[in-house]
Amino acid sequence: GIQVEQSPPDLILQEGANSTLRCNFSDSVNNLQWFHQNPWGQLINLFYIPSGTKQNGRLSATTVATERYSLLYISSSQTTDSGVYFCALRASGGSYIPTFGRGTSLIVHP
Amino acid sequence: DVKVTQSSRYLVKRTGEKVFLECVQDMDHENMFWYRQDPGLGLRLIYFSYDVKMKEKGDIPEGYSVSREKKERFSLILESASTNQTSMYLCASSLARFENTEAFFGQGTRLTVV
Repeated sequence: GIQVEQSPPDLILQEGANSTLRCNFSDSVNNLQWFHQNPWGQLINLFYIPSGTKQNGRLSATTVATERYSLLYISSSQTTDSGVYFCALRASGGSYIPTFGRGTSLIVHP
Repeated sequence: DVKVTQSSRYLVKRTGEKVFLECVQDMDHENMFWYRQDPGLGLRLIYFSYDVKMKEKGDIPEGYSVSREKKERFSLILESASTNQTSMYLCASSLARFENTEAFFGQGTRLTVV
């Protein structure tokens, strides 16, 4: 099956800093999402982005499908950004079940 | 907005009990999924369903069963709970089997088996 690697595994920031989270995948995809898991455990949809670039406030994401990676940018980080960020994707022509990376754990200190 | 609701946020059960975790979605989605999440192991798929009364095993189905009698409801059943089933359980849904659309998750159920 498709392999998904997220980096870095852990990230610690001061409030106000910017960061880039990366998701590499081993095959072509037709479906890619970024999620934020908040401290209470819920997975919140951030972006549905199989290709291209999207922005939502301080967050933006870019997927370069031909080079098999996606990036999540967080600007001017806030303590509420803390949590785990997952990318989940489905391979083109493969299973319709989302495959998850291991996540990036982000801690933002005040 | 899509809403996926899990019946309990926190649950404590005794070893050997039969446990039901319920998940309901309100957007007429065909696909529904159950994952468990454990530290260091990420999200692992237990079972999924792409239609009423249809179910397929995921990566770790042992010790679990599921039921999908109605399109909006997908139940995860622990036939005889054991301490190694203490975990966070996450339910998700998405539109249809071959559609490239978003998956949406419930709030999660933290199950402790004592």
